[in-house]
Amino acid sequence: GQQVQQSPTSLVLQEGENAELQCNFSTSLNSMQWFYQRPGGSLISVFYNPSGTKQSGRLTSTTVIKERRSSLHISSSQITDSGTYLCAMERNSAGNKLTFGIGTRVLVRP
Amino acid sequence: DAGVTQTPRHEVAEKGQTIILKCEPVSGHNDLFWYRQTKIQGLELLSYFRSKSLMEDGGAFKDRFKAEMLNSSFSTLKIQPTEPKDSAVYLCASSFWNTEVFFGKGTRLTVV
Repeated sequence: GQQVQQSPTSLVLQEGENAELQCNFSTSLNSMQWFYQRPGGSLISVFYNPSGTKQSGRLTSTTVIKERRSSLHISSSQITDSGTYLCAMERNSAGNKLTFGIGTRVLVRP
Repeated sequence: DAGVTQTPRHEVAEKGQTIILKCEPVSGHNDLFWYRQTKIQGLELLSYFRSKSLMEDGGAFKDRFKAEMLNSSFSTLKIQPTEPKDSAVYLCASSFWNTEVFFGKGTRLTVV
């Protein structure tokens, strides 16, 4: 089965709304990373988050390694936040290769 | 700082052709990855190098896919022969040991 499970698969927001994206891992992991991707665009690293909470502007990531989960909170969403958010994990004893979830597609409407 | 550089950005190949994609990792990084991204399968690992040594090549891709890293600042991915099902975006990424991974802008391959 899927080692990295993301929810929801898609999300529609009104501009200004908050949202929380979830990522759950079926195996133990060393660290995880959140990426953002526009259609046809490249993968942009949003957070590298081995554990704990990190904030960058309106985005906050909270990772609890022992519980094998991470969340990405978007506050006061803007149209430019539209795109796909992917989480990926680095497993123990697997070098630094990443295993990805299928992503959450976010659409922010005016 | 230069990020991960991939060339070409777009490639169109006829079925049966050989194509070579190129990647320059971030200077100083010792981990290099090749991924393939499709709408159906998402991101799949093709190859993983650490300090120029091949650590893993995705089993399903061994047949016609070969990645090489002749020096620490340059890698190639050869697909031979190409098939229409190889149409996808090919992404190169790098990192320094077990830290944050950075991706290039990708090469969009279309096989006709």
